[in-house]
Amino acid sequence: DAKTTQPNSMESNEEEPVHLPCNHSTISGTDYIHWYRQLPSQGPEYVIHGLTSNVNNRMASLAIAEDRKSSTLILHRATLRDAAVYYCILRDLQGRGGGADGLTFGKGTHLIIQP
Amino acid sequence: DTEVTQTPKHLVMGMTNKKSLKCEQHMGHRAMYWYKQKAKKPPELMFVYSYEKLSINESVPSRFSPECPNSSLLNLHLHALQPEDSALYLCASSQIFRTEAFFGQGTRLTVV
Repeated sequence: DAKTTQPNSMESNEEEPVHLPCNHSTISGTDYIHWYRQLPSQGPEYVIHGLTSNVNNRMASLAIAEDRKSSTLILHRATLRDAAVYYCILRDLQGRGGGADGLTFGKGTHLIIQP
Repeated sequence: DTEVTQTPKHLVMGMTNKKSLKCEQHMGHRAMYWYKQKAKKPPELMFVYSYEKLSINESVPSRFSPECPNSSLLNLHLHALQPEDSALYLCASSQIFRTEAFFGQGTRLTVV
């Protein structure tokens, strides 16, 4: 499986934008880029995903480099509730398991929000 | 209803006990998953069920036995566990070929 590399931790201030980077230099053409986050004492939560184009939803934006070797999750205005571990995951939906292959989590980035 | 419900929330069991973890979803998802998460580590995939059939077993020891009795339920039967099996066990579900997986809150298991 193609791997992702993320900083171990990042710190930001409340109400400021946060840019969480992810490197995936061995990404294949059929890999989707997913972001999940895990708040303390909770299960992981889907944030956003994309293939080639930048994506926006109510939670965040995903900026994908033109060569797809890196991506950035953008939280436009961080709140204390956004403090979590953020995971960048590559997933080939046509891969093993016939469309149900599970997620391979890396170590993720521990995001700390200062009030 | 976008919930995955796991019971119990906490479980303490001895090494000779038999217990089961339960997971339920009513979103019509036909893929269901078990993950194991040790403290301060990322979740690790254990099993995948697709259309109620086991499709992926990540070389999990036989003391963990999954079961999918119907499209809404997923069980994990536990027998003769070791203290190192203590962890948070997470269940998730998704549509087939869809990207968003929904996770439950997990069962925190302690083996004594």
